[in-house]
Amino acid sequence: EDQVTQSPEALRLQEGESSSLNCSYTVSGLRGLFWYRQDPGKGPEFLFTLYSAGEEKEKERLKATLTKKESFLHITAPKPEDSATYLCALIDRGSTLGRLYFGRGTQLTVWP
Amino acid sequence: DTEVTQTPKHLVMGMTNKKSLKCEQHMGHRAMYWYKQKAKKPPELMFVYSYEKLSINESVPSRFSPECPNSSLLNLHLHALQPEDSALYLCASSQDRASSSYNEQFFGPGTRLTVL
Repeated sequence: EDQVTQSPEALRLQEGESSSLNCSYTVSGLRGLFWYRQDPGKGPEFLFTLYSAGEEKEKERLKATLTKKESFLHITAPKPEDSATYLCALIDRGSTLGRLYFGRGTQLTVWP
Repeated sequence: DTEVTQTPKHLVMGMTNKKSLKCEQHMGHRAMYWYKQKAKKPPELMFVYSYEKLSINESVPSRFSPECPNSSLLNLHLHALQPEDSALYLCASSQDRASSSYNEQFFGPGTRLTVL
């Protein structure tokens, strides 16, 4: 059973059309939840770390939030350059070596 | 500076070749990782080094051999690979996981490996 589930798998937005990506998780204890952006053929780019329910982080048009069961990545007024795959990953509190559990990602396309 | 560098960017090799991938970071991180990523899939963990000691080997075939010469460098030696090993190989690093309550991993740009 996947510990990290991302939805939707793919999302197409028109430029300026705000939306949210979802990351739900099932772990006994959360040590940290991470959002990454990945462009085709490149390594994931770190965006945010969230540690506890209620926490929020913002960067330009992106805002990440965390509850006890899920995290959202809100994209406000997206631009075509926001097109990428967004990966959610977490470290389980029971993990002894900081092992990251990744979701399968949401492929975002923003068209002009 | 949150940069992890990897060389080469692209590598094409035959099944009988021996090659190496290199990774370097200068952030003072003490944990370093190798991942393999296939198209449209998330990264899969291969190896973890913590304080230059191999901590995790995710049942990776012996044709992949990691090496951590010092705290800044990580190598992946490749020998007798198969075409199905073609993928994007990613290196990442993070702070000391023992003393930190968080552990962001910073990824390099990857090496695109093609095995003929």
